Amino acid sequence: SQQGEEDPQALSIQEGENATMNCSYKTSINNLQWYRQNSGRGLVHLILIRSNEREKHSGRLRVTLDTSKKSSSLLITASRAADTASYFCATGSNSGYSTLTFGKGTMLLVSP
Amino acid sequence: NAGVTQTPKFQVLKTGQSMTLQCAQDMNHEYMSWYRQDPGMGLRLIHYSVGAGITDQGEVPNGYNVSRSTTEDFPLRLLSAAPSQTSVYFCASSYTRQNTEAFFGQGTRLTVV
Repeated sequence: SQQGEEDPQALSIQEGENATMNCSYKTSINNLQWYRQNSGRGLVHLILIRSNEREKHSGRLRVTLDTSKKSSSLLITASRAADTASYFCATGSNSGYSTLTFGKGTMLLVSP
Repeated sequence: NAGVTQTPKFQVLKTGQSMTLQCAQDMNHEYMSWYRQDPGMGLRLIHYSVGAGITDQGEVPNGYNVSRSTTEDFPLRLLSAAPSQTSVYFCASSYTRQNTEAFFGQGTRLTVV
């Protein structure tokens, strides 16, 4: 069953605007990761946040994690047309292995 | 840097046929996994392996077999293809320890008619 649920399912913005995507999950986790998928391609890892971290930055990306609410958000600042893609959150379990459970994704469209 | 290589990229099968989707990685990762991606469903785990000779089932294993004879290769076998197995299949690899990122192949788009 899906662990993460992204919100919104689709997001359309203009270049230069910020894009915020949210992810909620159900069970306790070891880490939460965000991936990007360009149309017809494989997934590319963006950022990983551990369960004991609250915020992490990487370039134009900012990820927050609230384990009490079982939720995370991904903020992309100053969006570009090249950011158009689907974004997935994936949770790593406490099972001891690096098994990831993915949400259904948010489709982001950035218009020039 | 090859990373994770999947073959073929596209495949059309007739119902009842069998085939093997190939996956190879050159990063010496212990952990490898297969996912299927269907519209509106995200990625669902089919099978995974934590090392050569060790495999286990994921969320949707029925109709698929795997084996792991080497660290590098993790083939996925469809025993008797069904239209419900029409999907895009992704192979991924990572280190086994937690808090590591996964590397994905480019996917195999499979259509069963």
